[in-house]
Amino acid sequence: GAGVSQTPSNKVTEKGKYVELRCDPISGHTALYWYRQSLGQGPEFLIYFQGTGAADDSGLPNDRFFAVRPEGSVSTLKIQRTERGDSAVYLCASSNGGANVLTFGAGSRLTVL
Amino acid sequence: DAKTTQPNSMESNEEEPVHLPCNHSTISGTDYIHWYRQLPSQGPEYVIHGLTSNVNNRMASLAIAEDRKSSTLILHRATLRDAAVYYCIQANFGNEKLTFGTGTRLTIIP
Repeated sequence: GAGVSQTPSNKVTEKGKYVELRCDPISGHTALYWYRQSLGQGPEFLIYFQGTGAADDSGLPNDRFFAVRPEGSVSTLKIQRTERGDSAVYLCASSNGGANVLTFGAGSRLTVL
Repeated sequence: DAKTTQPNSMESNEEEPVHLPCNHSTISGTDYIHWYRQLPSQGPEYVIHGLTSNVNNRMASLAIAEDRKSSTLILHRATLRDAAVYYCIQANFGNEKLTFGTGTRLTIIP
């Protein structure tokens, strides 16, 4: 597609449940990023992939969060045993490398009740 | 942590130029300055980036101080669609991670 696509756009779940958020990057973009954004804050870095491998996962808050990109294109962010504090907008971005020019998706809004 | 400082908010009249300041006093020789903006209910959008020289593109201009410790994003003629949060980011060329602060919320007055 022409842009970065994220699904679902909205997800409501209960505390303790497992959640998957999907990101379809721009075709041909080798780099893929996950950020999360709480209300009134700037996006917070979670993880960055170069191809299939996680080049920097220093922003993942704890081991309940995990992300994969098995074929170097689509990525899934997985959150286990969700907590109310995980409620946020999860943003995905992709880049064709160099100069840090990222194209963001519209985000997936996660609400944990 | 974000390495740049920006005013929390600014207002500007429609159809007038807007100058958005950013301080980055800890910048190193290989750090670029990037600007992104975020419209309501959307993901951030790339605006412009530069290293030392002033830069222009169809969206905006970036004026970088001679000592590189500050920069200004210039919107030449603001429209209502420019109302957004503008983020100034200092990032080393070799570091792919962009660290966002809280940005400047720009309000455009009709």
